[in-house]
Amino acid sequence: AQSVTQLGSHVSVSEGALVLLRCNYSSSVPPYLFWYVQYPNQGLQLLLKYTSAATLVKGINGFEAEFKKSETSFHLTKPSAHMSDAAEYFCAVSGNDMRFGAGTRLTVKP
Amino acid sequence: EAEVAQSPRYKITEKSQAVAFWCDPISGHATLYWYRQILGQGPELLVQFQDESVVDDSQLPKDRFSAERLKGVDSTLKIQPAELGDSAMYLCASSYRGLAGVGEQFFGPGTRLTVL
Repeated sequence: AQSVTQLGSHVSVSEGALVLLRCNYSSSVPPYLFWYVQYPNQGLQLLLKYTSAATLVKGINGFEAEFKKSETSFHLTKPSAHMSDAAEYFCAVSGNDMRFGAGTRLTVKP
Repeated sequence: EAEVAQSPRYKITEKSQAVAFWCDPISGHATLYWYRQILGQGPELLVQFQDESVVDDSQLPKDRFSAERLKGVDSTLKIQPAELGDSAMYLCASSYRGLAGVGEQFFGPGTRLTVL
């Protein structure tokens, strides 16, 4: 069985500050991992994915995530937050199906 | 750019009524998913289709929910009768399962259901 745990349901940063959203996974097989972003009343948009190639994955909008097997983590980072980054972020693990975390709401203060 | 289409975007209904949601996946995507997302939570899979066949409906409340994908293209999710606890966002996603067997899922905009 696979699952993900997102640490922190709400993260608040100042504009220009580092964004760090935490995700830990559990999987009985080598995982495929994803980060999605969701804006209010919209569907989910893929930010990036890890599929066993490079452990540092670069995505859209300046986001990146690093797969660390020893820590079973796949944290999402962005060096400098922008107001438009305010949204809900979901980590997900995939095997035969996709399991999502509960989400982390990112607030960006001016 | 190809997108997953869903309609309606918003639906308000009274409990005990029937509701239906429609999804048109990206052309060529064999796998289609219906998710339910309760406010403040992540999406939870209700049903997964591979072409016209159901491959996973273990979390679908079959006493009131039904889903079909008759021609292996678009799909309908129905709730009858609706209950207050069904208020949620219903998301449709599709994927093209390539050689890796891991299909990136593309999501539609969702249908926001409110049951009064």
